[in-house]
Amino acid sequence: QKEVEQDPGPLSVPEGAIVSLNCTYSNSAFQYFMWYRQYSRKGPELLMYTYSSGNKEDGRFTAQVDKSSKYISLFIRDSQPSDSATYLCAMVDSNYQLIWGAGTKLIIKP
Amino acid sequence: EADIYQTPRYLVIGTGKKITLECSQTMGHDKMYWYQQDPGMELHLIHYSYGVNSTEKGDLSSESTVSRIRTEHFPLTLESARPSHTSQYLCASSESQAGDSMRQFFGPGTRLTVL
Repeated sequence: QKEVEQDPGPLSVPEGAIVSLNCTYSNSAFQYFMWYRQYSRKGPELLMYTYSSGNKEDGRFTAQVDKSSKYISLFIRDSQPSDSATYLCAMVDSNYQLIWGAGTKLIIKP
Repeated sequence: EADIYQTPRYLVIGTGKKITLECSQTMGHDKMYWYQQDPGMELHLIHYSYGVNSTEKGDLSSESTVSRIRTEHFPLTLESARPSHTSQYLCASSESQAGDSMRQFFGPGTRLTVL
């Protein structure tokens, strides 16, 4: 079983919709939770990170962590075609190495 | 402008060839990483370095080797390429403090095809 599970998609939504992206994990020792965005033919770039449970908001993006359920989410409000990308969740293990999800491909239709 | 570079971006080679994938960063980061990424799969760490003359193997078994002679340069070498090495290779760097190491900056990747 993978330590981090993420639905690969693709997830296709109309412009302006609210998008919900999710990951589940099995290692209760994870403390830091991150979302990276990867455009086609590019390397990933850090979008947001959170520590422990709770919510964190940055503009149209909200990251949510529920440690009791071992479940994290990224919400995108007022989605734009420029948000079309692959979104990867990542978690930090006890050695400060990143454990990655496989990524969800998101398509925002104009 | 601080950045991280990878060359070549695309490479098609025959089986048995020796290749070196180049990675350089201008951010002065101590930590550097090499990942392998296949379509629909998670990133797998194949090598990392804490600084000059420091190299470690990652979780994914790899037939590649790395060196870190200069802070800014972290090349990856395959002595004898095989079709199973066909993949996307991503180089990244980060600050060395524990909290800062989570923020990794990635290069654009090298897409390698071995025929």
